[in-house]
Amino acid sequence: KNEVEQSPQNLTAQEGEFITINCSYSVGISALHWLQQHPGGGIVSLFMLSSGKKKHGRLIATINIQEKHSSLHITASHPRDSAVYICAVSPYYGQNFVFGPGTRLSVLP
Amino acid sequence: EADIYQTPRYLVIGTGKKITLECSQTMGHDKMYWYQQDPGMELHLIHYSYGVNSTEKGDLSSESTVSRIRTEHFPLTLESARPSHTSQYLCASSRQKPGTGAYEQYFGPGTRLTVT
Repeated sequence: KNEVEQSPQNLTAQEGEFITINCSYSVGISALHWLQQHPGGGIVSLFMLSSGKKKHGRLIATINIQEKHSSLHITASHPRDSAVYICAVSPYYGQNFVFGPGTRLSVLP
Repeated sequence: EADIYQTPRYLVIGTGKKITLECSQTMGHDKMYWYQQDPGMELHLIHYSYGVNSTEKGDLSSESTVSRIRTEHFPLTLESARPSHTSQYLCASSRQKPGTGAYEQYFGPGTRLTVT
């Protein structure tokens, strides 16, 4: 079993839809990160969470430490949101990130 | 804003050639990382460094080697490139966020390597 899992693996949505991507992890963490990777591009950090909820524009990230679960929500999705969204954790046991497999999102106009 | 650079961005090279992928950061971060990522696949850690003269192999076995002679510079070398080395290579650095104890990573734009 992977230490970080994401669902769904692939997601296609129509422009304007509300999108949710889920992440679950099995290790103790100091923080959880949501990353975005556009096709052919580098990786950008969207959020770093250790508790509660954060909002940045149309993006909202939540975390439930007790349940070891986080969600990334995109409101009013747009084709430019099409990317791979990666959940990663900073585990207590080490200083290296542990990455989820990513969720590939396509938003159609 | 992260300042981490990789060169070249794209490289097509023949089998057997020696190549060095450059990575540099201007943020003074002690920790640096190299990841390998095949198209559509997840990231795999191949090397990391916690400071000058410190290098370790990551979770994914790799024939590449790294060096860390200066804090800002973490080059990756393949002595003899093979088609199986075709992939994207991403460099990152990290710092401990004050007050939280958690680490933030900053990624470079990546080098897309093709070995023919």
